[in-house]
Amino acid sequence: KAGVTQTPRYLIKTRGQQVTLSCSPISGHRSVSWYQQTPGQGLQFLFEYFSETQRNKGNFPGRFSGRQFSNSRSEMNVSTLELGDSALYLCASSLVFRNYGYTFGSGTRLTVV
Amino acid sequence: AQTVTQSQPEMSVQEAETVTLSCTYDTSENNYYLFWYKQPPSRQMILVIRQEAYKQQNATENRFSVNFQKAAKSFSLKISDSQLGDTAMYFCAFMKRNAGGTSYGKLTFGQGTILTVHP
Repeated sequence: KAGVTQTPRYLIKTRGQQVTLSCSPISGHRSVSWYQQTPGQGLQFLFEYFSETQRNKGNFPGRFSGRQFSNSRSEMNVSTLELGDSALYLCASSLVFRNYGYTFGSGTRLTVV
Repeated sequence: AQTVTQSQPEMSVQEAETVTLSCTYDTSENNYYLFWYKQPPSRQMILVIRQEAYKQQNATENRFSVNFQKAAKSFSLKISDSQLGDTAMYFCAFMKRNAGGTSYGKLTFGQGTILTVHP
């Protein structure tokens, strides 16, 4: 069974630009979460989607947004990129009605220059 | 709000030996899940083991076992017969259990412990 797929794996953007990251969950997983990982702040929760609805949101500015489609695929968008947005962005999916833990993708490494 | 603390930034162990990674957490919740995740240099987070707080029995998965002390809010990971492939960053994580036991919610992670297994 295919794992969680994140695209692209690497991305370099310029300050002020916007970026969209994609996540395809494991088949049958309907919950998708996003995390930002940086050396200084560690792993921080961005948001979570289930049934195309945002269920939880972390403490990030409104420049960070996301959505989930009817096939459970999710995208996150960051507008007006800042240097501090450089990070590894991880997507995770899970079954909703059995908590076996989240399965993570390999992440998208975003570098803002 | 929940907090998770891993007090050991780095640890090392010889191959075939046993090592224990520490994790403490703070929460006012009574029903929750605890996890250990491993992140090797390939950067993919891999679930190592999970524990349901309402179960007193400590979880085990092959060479990995936990010592869950609910009253002390402690959740340590023991790796037996360490292998070179165990070299990775290990994260302890907390998730509140939703009503009905549904599995969506925020994972709160510790800062991680870098484990190096030496030949």
